Amino acid sequence: QVQLLESGPGLVKPSQTLTLTCTVSGDSISRDNCYWSWIRQPAGKALEWLGRIYSGGSTTYNPSLKSRVTISLDTSKNQFSLKLTSLTAADTAVYYCAREPIVGANAFDIWGQGRKVTVSS
Amino acid sequence: DIQMTQSPSSLSASVGDRVTITCRASQSIRSYLNWYQQKPGRVPNLLIYATSTLQSGVPSRFSGSGSGTDFTLTISSLQPEDFATYYCHQSYSTPWTFGQGTKVEIK
Repeated sequence: QVQLLESGPGLVKPSQTLTLTCTVSGDSISRDNCYWSWIRQPAGKALEWLGRIYSGGSTTYNPSLKSRVTISLDTSKNQFSLKLTSLTAADTAVYYCAREPIVGANAFDIWGQGRKVTVSS
Repeated sequence: DIQMTQSPSSLSASVGDRVTITCRASQSIRSYLNWYQQKPGRVPNLLIYATSTLQSGVPSRFSGSGSGTDFTLTISSLQPEDFATYYCHQSYSTPWTFGQGTKVEIK
């Protein structure tokens, strides 16, 4: 059974950098035909895709984040991470990691439980 | 970016009703359209991918159709556990984008 679990701080100050980690169990982030994505959801609002990484390390980001986002892999720990810089209150949201198999129209078939992040001084 | 617009934003329905939710893309996305269900305080759950393929374990009362720019999610007979918010998601062109959601409430 594949499981994803986000970890990281729940409270971050404005202008600081957020780093979240997603630990994958039951699957290998090194396998082919699968991306690993980050998605966020402000309270009461819709979902926003932030970006993704492939097993070889190639990344795709949402241009709306204006180069504030970096996603990386740690294959030795079967983890991938999100770094988001220059935080503002608008970055307050629940952050999800998700699996995105290429087979299956790149839908997000497995999600982490979510990590609530508040940006406040 | 491809804009995804869902309608209605919310609806009230009774158990047993047939419910249809529409999702429109700002340009053709062929059949690269996925649907998720999210219950309050819970994680989104994949229902349908590639317009009409049911994810494993999803009840057959859910179905999807469409192509190009116009898509629908249909619940043939609404059950108590179906009251939730539904999101469409295009996976044709990055950045992936979602609709704003349709909240299905109890009448």
